[in-house]
Order: sequence, then C-alpha cells, then structure tokens
Amino acid sequence: EIVMTQSPATLSVSPGERATLSCRASQSVISNVAWYQQKPGQAPRLLISGASTRATGIPARFSGSASGTEFTLTISSLQSEDFAVYYCQQYNKWPLTFGGGTRVEIK
Amino acid sequence: EVQLVESGGDLVQPGGSLRLSCAASGFTFSSSWMSWVRQAPGKGLEWVANIRQDGSETYYMDSLKGRFTISRDNARNSLYLQMDSLTAEDTAVYYCARIAFIYQYYMDAWGKGTTVTVSS
Repeated sequence: EIVMTQSPATLSVSPGERATLSCRASQSVISNVAWYQQKPGQAPRLLISGASTRATGIPARFSGSASGTEFTLTISSLQSEDFAVYYCQQYNKWPLTFGGGTRVEIK
Repeated sequence: EVQLVESGGDLVQPGGSLRLSCAASGFTFSSSWMSWVRQAPGKGLEWVANIRQDGSETYYMDSLKGRFTISRDNARNSLYLQMDSLTAEDTAVYYCARIAFIYQYYMDAWGKGTTVTVSS
C-alpha cells in the first residue's frame, strides 16, 4: 500500500499570508495525486487533480506542484474561507490512499 | 447540478449488518465509476470501495476482509454498500463520491455523508 505522509499536521497562518502544504508518497505515483479541502461538518471538496490541475470553480490562489514523490499545495494569500483541513490522495495504484491531513488554522 | 444523497446510516450492534444507499442525480450515473469513502470521528479520510460503471469491477480496501460489498442499480441511479460483521472500528461517516474520469480515480463530487455507529 502506498503511504501518503502530509506535513505539517497543523499550520498556523495569518490571513493574507502564503500557506505551503506538503505530501510525500512512499513510492512513485507519477502525477496521480489529488488535493481536497474539508471544512467542519462538511464533505470534502476537490481542489486539485493530476498534481497541478485546478478543479472547476477553484480560485487561482490554490496551486499544486510536484517533484518526484513530493507534492505541494500552495495557497498564495489565505482568505478566511480557506481555514480548513486539506488532504492529499494518490490514485496511481490500488488501494487508493489518503494522507492524514493538514489543518490550516488562523494565527 | 450533481447531487449525491446518502441514507441508511444507523446505530447497530457489533456483529450486525447495515446497507447504505446513495441516490445520484444531475449526471449520467451509468457512465461514472463510484466510490465509498469513510471518516471515523475526528480522523482522516479512508477509501472503502470503488465500482465500475456496469458493476463488473469492484475494488476494496484490504482490511475489510470481505465484510463489505459495493453494488449499484443504474436503472435507479443508486449506489449501495452492504456492510456485514460490523465492529466498532467501522464507526464513521460514510460518503458516496463520484469518480471524475475512467481510470482517474479521484473524486470530483461528494454527498454529505451518512453516519454509522457500531456500539452495544
């Protein structure tokens, strides 16, 4: 099973600042990584697929990148609605696996 | 508008069974792979199972050991999850999700979830 390790577990950021979230795969997943946002009491929402392609309706301040088995989600200027938990997911190989999540909280 | 509405969650005793349903609308259900994903209280997301458009292929998380069965009824635009021999570790919110594209197994639409509690 491919293990997706997210860091940090919690990120404290002030509104307007940049947030950088990391996700490392235990083996190659090519670019088959998605990112999701989840707010309390809500279902997850797709942000990014293919490591760097924004989903429909996702603001341009969200961007994804990859380098080998390291994947990054960057939020360029945090808005109040961006404080949430973010998950990465690999879909290169069965079983599908998610990272443990990064909570982005207000500093 | 894509809508996925789960139902069937309940309080069930250890060793019991439950069948979850997901009603889909706003898209061509019969053309989409579908998934179940769960989230234990205060925990992260955990993929449970996938099913191909015609039901001919299914995939499960390894640790389920054959206790869960995913199925679908394309005539009713419905997805199901039969859960048997339930344990406390199965306590979670269960989400129904649409797979975005064939062989690209990420989820581009999610239901609000249904809660399963396994307790005596």
